[in-house]
Amino acid sequence: GAVVSQHPSRVICKSGTSVKIECRSLDFQATTMFWYRQFPKQSLMLMATSNEGSKATYEQGVEKDKFLINHASLTLSTLTVTSAHPEDSSFYICSAAGTSGETQYFGPGTRLLVL
Amino acid sequence: AQSVTQLGSHVSVSEGALVLLRCNYSSSVPPYLFWYVQYPNQGLQLLLKYTSAATLVKGINGFEAEFKKSETSFHLTKPSAHMSDAAEYFCAVSRSRDMRFGAGTRLTVKP
Repeated sequence: GAVVSQHPSRVICKSGTSVKIECRSLDFQATTMFWYRQFPKQSLMLMATSNEGSKATYEQGVEKDKFLINHASLTLSTLTVTSAHPEDSSFYICSAAGTSGETQYFGPGTRLLVL
Repeated sequence: AQSVTQLGSHVSVSEGALVLLRCNYSSSVPPYLFWYVQYPNQGLQLLLKYTSAATLVKGINGFEAEFKKSETSFHLTKPSAHMSDAAEYFCAVSRSRDMRFGAGTRLTVKP
């Protein structure tokens, strides 16, 4: 149980284009989903927290207009990187938490490369 | 504010040797503590978690961790390392679903 998927696993795009990453909880209802960014050989940095049906809460320094987050259902959240630039290249990981408890279950991550 | 500190960014052990990965936490309220493992180019897999029940927590793959309030520690151990244990390990503290990660410890297992 508690499986989280992400799609795509890897994406290459041109500078200036937008990229959408999907995060799905496959076998449980995720009332809260989280988006993290991880640079090489570094820890995870929380970007934003989203509750189903509500606007996402962004961490300080994260541009909400650049990283659009939608959590329209209890099993799906999307992160859209708008007008991507090479500095947005990174490993993006989502996680999901169910209706109770603190445990977050993580997706396999999406590697974004912006040329 | 809550945080975790992982002592040692890189730990190297021989196959069959004891694995000890250190984590100290800081939290103003009783914390929930977690250990996750990350293999290259993958997400995080939950190894074990402490949620104020038993102080000695057993996880998957033979790992366990002990919550010591007096030392504010939650060190991860495994009696005998296997080659497949080579990975990055993250300690995390959470409260009200605000999870904060340590910097990570890379475990290398030598044959």
